[in-house]
Amino acid sequence: AQTVTQSQPEMSVQEAETVTLSCTYDTSENNYYLFWYKQPPSRQMILVIRQEAYKQQNATENRFSVNFQKAAKSFSLKISDSQLGDTAMYFCAFTYSNTGKLIFGQGTTLQVKP
Amino acid sequence: DAGVIQSPRHEVTEMGQEVTLRCKPISGHDYLFWYRQTMMRGLELLIYFNNNVPIDDSGMPEDRFSAKMPNASFSTLKIQPSEPRDSAVYFCASSLVRGLAGSGEQFFGPGTRLTVL
Repeated sequence: AQTVTQSQPEMSVQEAETVTLSCTYDTSENNYYLFWYKQPPSRQMILVIRQEAYKQQNATENRFSVNFQKAAKSFSLKISDSQLGDTAMYFCAFTYSNTGKLIFGQGTTLQVKP
Repeated sequence: DAGVIQSPRHEVTEMGQEVTLRCKPISGHDYLFWYRQTMMRGLELLIYFNNNVPIDDSGMPEDRFSAKMPNASFSTLKIQPSEPRDSAVYFCASSLVRGLAGSGEQFFGPGTRLTVL
């Protein structure tokens, strides 16, 4: 079975500092995609970053980057220069082949403190 | 594109009433998903469609829940009769897969907050 695990239910970080959110997944598939979604208090689900499993290079989007370790099945999100607007719940998600279905982790609530 | 559109944004109803939630996916997307989110259970996938055909409804809680997708631009999630435990935020999402043409990234609507009294 495909599973996604986020082991940190809650985290906090001071504004302007760096924080890393952890995610591990379990799959026997070789071709798949990994995502981080952000859900701020407004409830809107927003895609933060995407990683293709066949790419060795880690994806980056401005202050957001991932550390993708395929052999270890690990996909962590690093947020640099944290901002108050980064306060949200973050979900790690996985999809494989052409099923269309996303497998979500339980989420990590991140609080950025001024 | 306006993104995924859901209506209503908020719904308050009394136990026993029928509730219908609506969703318009992004044009050209071939998958549509319905999710439910609560504090206790987190984000749950209820059902999803591919090219208007239901693929997996194993997440639908019980027979009181039903979903339809009569065409590529419209889907409904119906609860009849509604119960207080159905109170949650319901999300609709769509994606483009078509083999590996799309990455499978899902685009979410703003959600419908349902309160059943």
